[in-house]
Amino acid sequence: DTAVSQTPKYLVTQMGNDKSIKCEQNLGHDTMYWYKQDSKKFLKIMFSYNNKELIINETVPNRFSPKSPDKAHLNLHINSLELGDSAVYFCASSLRTYEQYFGPGTRLTVT
Amino acid sequence: DQQVKQNSPSLSVQEGRISILNCDYTNSMFDYFLWYKKYPAEGPTFLISISSIKDKNEDGRFTVFLNKSAKHLSLHIVPSQPGDSAVYFCAAQRNNAGNMLTFGGGTRLMVKP
Repeated sequence: DTAVSQTPKYLVTQMGNDKSIKCEQNLGHDTMYWYKQDSKKFLKIMFSYNNKELIINETVPNRFSPKSPDKAHLNLHINSLELGDSAVYFCASSLRTYEQYFGPGTRLTVT
Repeated sequence: DQQVKQNSPSLSVQEGRISILNCDYTNSMFDYFLWYKKYPAEGPTFLISISSIKDKNEDGRFTVFLNKSAKHLSLHIVPSQPGDSAVYFCAAQRNNAGNMLTFGGGTRLMVKP
């Protein structure tokens, strides 16, 4: 009965590759998010998405793109991976403006 | 430019005593504040929140205080328990900004038995 799930939990890949991280929520929430936790442990918002609107943090490179096949899923696609993309990526969801529920995270390592 | 700051990277408290975690913010447009708790290798877990129209919110052992004039909030845990040992993140939200959270850097709380 996992609320917010992410796959894979660990992802190791080489520079220049393209990869995706999947996120699913079974809470019936209408808004989903992606956050990045860098090596200094800072959690930073990347995207906020509901079926009407995508809001992008302006600091996110356009190599990153969220894709939502339906309301329960928000996948993160990353093109041309760079060493600096290594981090833990967290998916989250919420119902309108209420508290966000986070997934367990995906640790991405780019070599 | 960090808009939400937690100036204490760590805090050690004896079991049964009060834990006070502090958070400061700079953006006066923030109108909703939240505390999250995070264990290693897990995602953050929502703990408690407060709207900018209130100055206190209480939930069991957890109380959040908001001082808007000082742009400061704090989380009190009474009594502290060893299971409270985790990293605590303060977060802030602006209305009409896609509900995106701005997080502080976190404070590692260690509760000693």
